[in-house]
Amino acid sequence: QKEVEQNSGPLSVPEGAIASLNCTYSDRGSQSFFWYRQYSGKSPELIMFIYSNGDKEDGRFTAQLNKASQYVSLLIRDSQPSDSATYLCAVAGNNRKLIWGLGTSLGVNP
Amino acid sequence: DGGITQSPKYLFRKEGQNVTLSCEQNLNHDAMYWYRQDPGQGLRLIYYSQIVNDFQKGDIAEGYSVSREKKESFPLTVTSAQKNPTAFYLCASTTYGVGSAEKLFFGSGTQLSVL
Repeated sequence: QKEVEQNSGPLSVPEGAIASLNCTYSDRGSQSFFWYRQYSGKSPELIMFIYSNGDKEDGRFTAQLNKASQYVSLLIRDSQPSDSATYLCAVAGNNRKLIWGLGTSLGVNP
Repeated sequence: DGGITQSPKYLFRKEGQNVTLSCEQNLNHDAMYWYRQDPGQGLRLIYYSQIVNDFQKGDIAEGYSVSREKKESFPLTVTSAQKNPTAFYLCASTTYGVGSAEKLFFGSGTQLSVL
């Protein structure tokens, strides 16, 4: 069974710090990796995607992919209280079917 | 503005009743999806459709039905056979292209509860 695992948290960081969220996956054939942010009671919103090994930066967000170790991470620099949300990791293989993690709850304390 | 509209935002179902959740998109997306989200659980795929008049079962299709008569619309019916329907229902869509199929755009969701 293909799985995506995330620490459920809650992860708590002070405002201005770097938040590091991790995700591991079981299917070595996975090709596409996504991070969605979901505020309480709202729908998920795509914030980052990565296809190749290495880092991808977009503003305060950096996605890191290591296919050999089968993990993908999301770094949030200069964390703000507005970043407090649940972050969902999703992984797709060559069949393009998304496998979702359960999410990590992040709290940023002012 | 382009987007996905789900309605209603809140829905209550009586025992033995079928209810239909609406999902409409004006993004000209090919594929549409229905997910169910329960507290503490991940997103679970109910049904998806890649083209008009065609749809496939997801991982938890029992007790649900869908139709795709128009590209813009993908309604979900929760039938009386679904014994535990209380959940947050999310509709999503995407277009097909290199690397784009998994970039899902979500509607605002429908919270379904049983009376």
